[in-house]
Amino acid sequence: QVQLKESGPGLVQPSQTLSLTCTVSGFSLTSNSVHWVRQPPGKGLEWVGAIWSGGSTDYNSALKSRLSISRDTSKSQVFLKMNSLQTEDTAIYFCTRSPAMYWYFDFWGPGTMVTVSS
Amino acid sequence: DIQMTQSPSLLSASVGDRVTLSCKASQNIYKYLNWYQQKLGEAPKLLIYYTNSLQTGIPSRFSGSGSGTDYTLTISSLQPEDVATYFCQQYNSWLTFGSGTKLEIK
Repeated sequence: QVQLKESGPGLVQPSQTLSLTCTVSGFSLTSNSVHWVRQPPGKGLEWVGAIWSGGSTDYNSALKSRLSISRDTSKSQVFLKMNSLQTEDTAIYFCTRSPAMYWYFDFWGPGTMVTVSS
Repeated sequence: DIQMTQSPSLLSASVGDRVTLSCKASQNIYKYLNWYQQKLGEAPKLLIYYTNSLQTGIPSRFSGSGSGTDYTLTISSLQPEDVATYFCQQYNSWLTFGSGTKLEIK
């Protein structure tokens, strides 16, 4: 069955770099896309960015200068790197699947909480 | 950026009620609109895609409609397990979510 699971540090210091990994199973990264979505505590959802089935990427324009998404198809993993973290980046980070080139998210990981604090 | 406005922000209704949630876009999104349900402490779940297509496994009491800038999620007969926050998401121009409607049982 389709599964996604986020992993990474729960705590990051301000100005440092966040590195998250999304490990997927039950589907191919070359036939589906993986997106990152984040949710500050008690707030709404914000699209962060995506890596498409062909390997190209798209990013939220507000985060683009700090963001990089990549993948290792042999390990079924997608990576998010965001630099210059600030307290407003504190959020639950979800990875989620969209089939092929569609822009809806049919499977989600449970999310990982990232706190930016010294 | 396209802004998505959901109303009401909080809705209280009784079991069995017909419930309507609204989502309004700041410009025409040509039906490129999805709906998600998020229960407390869980990841969102896809309910409806492309305005009115029901995701596999979602009960038929959920339905979506709309066009242009105005979209609606309807629950025909509210059940206790429908308590959640509901988000709309547009993808006509990049991707943005609404701020959510929290649905509770009266």
